[in-house]
Amino acid sequence: QVQLQESGPGLVKPSQTLSLTCTVSGGSMSSGSYFWNWIRQPAGKGLEWIGRIYTSGSTNYSPSLKSRVTISVDTSKNQFSLKLTSVTAADTAVYYCASERRGSVDSWGQGTLVTVSS
Amino acid sequence: QSVLTQPPSVSAAPGQKVTISCSGSSSNIGNNYVSWYQQLPGTAPKLLIYENNKRPSGIPDRFSGSKSGTSATLGITGLQTGDEADYYCGTWDSSLSVAFFGGGTKLTVL
Repeated sequence: QVQLQESGPGLVKPSQTLSLTCTVSGGSMSSGSYFWNWIRQPAGKGLEWIGRIYTSGSTNYSPSLKSRVTISVDTSKNQFSLKLTSVTAADTAVYYCASERRGSVDSWGQGTLVTVSS
Repeated sequence: QSVLTQPPSVSAAPGQKVTISCSGSSSNIGNNYVSWYQQLPGTAPKLLIYENNKRPSGIPDRFSGSKSGTSATLGITGLQTGDEADYYCGTWDSSLSVAFFGGGTKLTVL
């Protein structure tokens, strides 16, 4: 099972772009049939799926966020990234990166809190 | 409001059994595998059940999953205080090509 670690700014100003990177260890991202996901959780609320990418570069996004989200992958660095544009306070949440195999999210990062505030 | 419907909370005494339901539709639960996740306070979620009823290595057999039609159920027997957590179901929606999580169920072990 791979390990995942999120990194990026913990504070983003409104209207700016949130950028996070997930570093995968314990295995190559290119091996195995994995999807690489971003999931977020506002304080005291449930899990919200943001989107995922396959190592081929194929993506799926949540319809509610699709116009603002880009997920990319760099297999040479064993990393994948999230960009969310035009953020508002509603985007404040703990952001998780996670691996998915056979329809289940089998490994999760520890999560990183991103606060949108001026 | 989530596409997958879970009860907000359930409770039972230590040693007892509890079930948590997850209701969806033909485009999600009805035609895709269901997973269940446990989120202990202040921690990341952890996979409990995959492919409707399979347990990852290390998950005790007190946890079980089942699916029938457009609904799925998580069962927990021999409840322990350490099982107090939020539980989420999750699946893929083939029509929308998106993943969904249920709204989550808070388990209290009285």
